[in-house]
Amino acid sequence: GIQVEQSPPDLILQEGANSTLRCNFSDSVNNLQWFHQNPWGQLINLFYIPSGTKQNGRLSATTVATERYSLLYISSSQTTDSGVYFCAVGSSGTYKYIFGTGTRLKVLA
Amino acid sequence: EAQVTQNPRYLITVTGKKLTVTCSQNMNHEYMSWYRQDPGLGLRQIYYSMNVEVTDKGDVPEGYKVSRKEKRNFPLILESPSPNQTSLYFCASSLFTSTNEKLFFGSGTQLSVL
Repeated sequence: GIQVEQSPPDLILQEGANSTLRCNFSDSVNNLQWFHQNPWGQLINLFYIPSGTKQNGRLSATTVATERYSLLYISSSQTTDSGVYFCAVGSSGTYKYIFGTGTRLKVLA
Repeated sequence: EAQVTQNPRYLITVTGKKLTVTCSQNMNHEYMSWYRQDPGLGLRQIYYSMNVEVTDKGDVPEGYKVSRKEKRNFPLILESPSPNQTSLYFCASSLFTSTNEKLFFGSGTQLSVL
């Protein structure tokens, strides 16, 4: 099955810094999403982005499906950005989702 | 308010005692699914359903059952729980469209099996 790898596993930033999180996947996908799990455990959908680029405020994401990776950019980070960021992919022809093991982000005031 | 509702939020039980975790969504979504989250392993899909009476196994279905008798409800059943099923469980739902299949998650159920 598809393998999903996220990097880096951990990231510590000062408030105001920018960061890039990466998601690599091993096969073609028809669905890719980014999630933020906040310190209370709640999972929030950030982007549905099987290809192309999207922006939402300080966050943006790019997926290059032909090269099998996606990037999540966080600009001017805030302490409320802390938590774990997951990418999830859905493989072509199935309805299964495979999650990466996440990037744990801590933003310091 | 559009939401996915899971109950209970916390559950402590003993080995072998059947339990059900409920999941309900009010967004008229066709797709619903269950995941377990364990430290270092991310989220792993247990079962999913594409519509009423249509379910299929995810990556870790052993020891779990599901049913989809109504579009809004997708309960997860553990008929004989074991300690290795201690985990954080999430239910999620989405529309099936060609342009947006965003998954929306419930708040989670922390299950401890003693």
